[in-house]
Amino acid sequence: NAGVMQNPRHLVRRRGQEARLRCSPMKGHSHVYWYRQLPEEGLKFMVYLQKENIIDESGMPKERFSAEFPKEGPSILRIQQVVRGDSAAYFCASSPEGAREQYFGPGTRLTVT
Amino acid sequence: GDSVTQMEGPVTLSEEAFLTINCTYTATGYPSLFWYVQYPGEGLQLLLKATKADDKGSNKGFEATYRKETTSFHLEKGSVQVSDSAVYFCALSAPGGANSKLTFGKGITLSVRP
Repeated sequence: NAGVMQNPRHLVRRRGQEARLRCSPMKGHSHVYWYRQLPEEGLKFMVYLQKENIIDESGMPKERFSAEFPKEGPSILRIQQVVRGDSAAYFCASSPEGAREQYFGPGTRLTVT
Repeated sequence: GDSVTQMEGPVTLSEEAFLTINCTYTATGYPSLFWYVQYPGEGLQLLLKATKADDKGSNKGFEATYRKETTSFHLEKGSVQVSDSAVYFCALSAPGGANSKLTFGKGITLSVRP
């Protein structure tokens, strides 16, 4: 069973551009979570989605950030008009129905120049 | 709100030394507790978990016991190896149901020298 897939692994964007991060959950997992890891810090929750629905977006910045998990295809985390402070590692995790543990992808490391 | 506190790091040990990494939490009710490990340049891997008081999670020689009375979930290993060098995160998920967000501690870097 393939693990959680994320792409790209590394993404470089200039200030003001858009960043689009993709996450394919493990087979059979319908719950997807996004976390951000800033240097020297732990992971901070951003958003939790189930197919076609946002369940919890309490950690998502109010502006420029959005997420979706369509019926078909990967989950997308979109950051519009990126700023230097958005530089971080973004991790996606997935879990099956009824589980408490989550399984993480390798992350996308975003660098804003 | 819920929170997880880990001991300050980094920690450097010699191979075969005993390891303890402290973790305490603040949450209402009975959260589930986890230890995750992150190797350089990689994502987090689930190391072990415990879902109720007095449960002991174990994996790859690591152990942690869910202590409700001290709200702790300390990670231990009797004899560390160089390959255990990584960042270790303690985390919890809120009680009351599955499929909820994880709250993480800041993580601690462990370096094991030969």
